[in-house]
Amino acid sequence: GENVEQHPSTLSVQEGDSAVIKCTYSDSASNYFPWYKQELGKRPQLIIDIRSNVGEKKDQRIAVTLNKTAKHFSLHITETQPEDSAVYFCAASNNQGGKLIFGQGTELSVKP
Amino acid sequence: DTAVSQTPKYLVTQMGNDKSIKCEQNLGHDTMYWYKQDSKKFLKIMFSYNNKELIINETVPNRFSPKSPDKAHLNLHINSLELGDSAVYFCASSQVLAPTLDSPLHFGNGTRLTVT
Repeated sequence: GENVEQHPSTLSVQEGDSAVIKCTYSDSASNYFPWYKQELGKRPQLIIDIRSNVGEKKDQRIAVTLNKTAKHFSLHITETQPEDSAVYFCAASNNQGGKLIFGQGTELSVKP
Repeated sequence: DTAVSQTPKYLVTQMGNDKSIKCEQNLGHDTMYWYKQDSKKFLKIMFSYNNKELIINETVPNRFSPKSPDKAHLNLHINSLELGDSAVYFCASSQVLAPTLDSPLHFGNGTRLTVT
């Protein structure tokens, strides 16, 4: 089955710096890669997602890149702000089994 | 209105008890899920239903039994609760069978279950 590995588990940056979170997946049939942000005590919320036929997608300060050959994808946050502090999850699925498999999460701390 | 709502928000109970968590979505989605988030924040799928039909049943103890009376509701009943069942349980939904760009996964606010 699909396995998603996420690194680092914790990340601390200074306000204004960039943050990068990386994930690898095992199932070459995976074709959908969302990223979720979970603030303390809240539900995970979708922040950006990408299909396997696209290499990069941007939405204001966040971007996701995908390397299908290497089976890894990354989340990039630029000009980080304290409100970006949260746990971020990557995930992967194919449209066969209906399972969205999550990485282990990265706790991002942005220090003012 | 909350799109995916689950009750209760907090549930504290003793070992051996039976409890239920309810979930309702008003998005008109066909598929609903239960995810478990443990103390290390790991999100793991437990079940999914599509139009009231069980689709995904991960390796979950038989003490956990989902029920979907209609496609807008998916409840989770847990028998003989154990300490290790303590976690946050998230209900979620997607428009079609598998989460995709056009049918992303929407989570409820979670139910924090504490077994003492």
